[in-house]
Amino acid sequence: QQQVKQSPQSLIVQKGGIPIINCAYENTAFDYFPWYQQFPGKGPALLIAIRPDVSEKKEGRFTISFNKSAKQFSLHIMDSQPGDSATYFCAASLDTGTASKLTFGTGTRLQVTL
Amino acid sequence: EAGVTQFPSHSVIEKGQTVTLRCDPISGHDNLYWYRRVMGKEIKFLLHFVKESKQDESGMPNNRFLAERTGGTYSTLKVQPAELEDSGVYFCASSQMSSGANEQFFGPGTRLTVL
Repeated sequence: QQQVKQSPQSLIVQKGGIPIINCAYENTAFDYFPWYQQFPGKGPALLIAIRPDVSEKKEGRFTISFNKSAKQFSLHIMDSQPGDSATYFCAASLDTGTASKLTFGTGTRLQVTL
Repeated sequence: EAGVTQFPSHSVIEKGQTVTLRCDPISGHDNLYWYRRVMGKEIKFLLHFVKESKQDESGMPNNRFLAERTGGTYSTLKVQPAELEDSGVYFCASSQMSSGANEQFFGPGTRLTVL
């Protein structure tokens, strides 16, 4: 049973567009929701993260929107650039105070074209 | 400061052989995690060390997998004997020992192919 569902599987947008990647989770005990960005040949790197006490968080061109009642969260990339082409993973974890494991979605391969 | 390093970057072995993967976490990070991504699927948790102790090994698929972290520094993950379904990319991650923020830093992964 997949606890974090991610869509779409792949996405192509033009430069300047706003790709949106969606995730839904099952476990209401999750309270930390990071997004990771992965370039080919590299490991995933933390991009931005949110906790459920806020509905939105912005860092530069990246925004997370969080809907606790719907158990959904999404990543928006404003003014997307070709350099944003990568695989994006949403994740969730329990904040047990002992640095618990991450539960990932299946990933979205984003391509930003010129 | 060096990031998380993993060795080898690629490994191709025959079914039934043994492979050992190594992870060197960021210096000073007490938490060390192993994850695996099978092609096209999610990155799945395997286990979590705090220093040299196994905190959570609920994701280990079966007893063909053995992870160690002697001395609380680097870790090894041994697969013996390897099966076809063990193919995938194995990631190691580390984080500081603290509550709250849980930023895990990932290595580049080891791509394992079992033929």
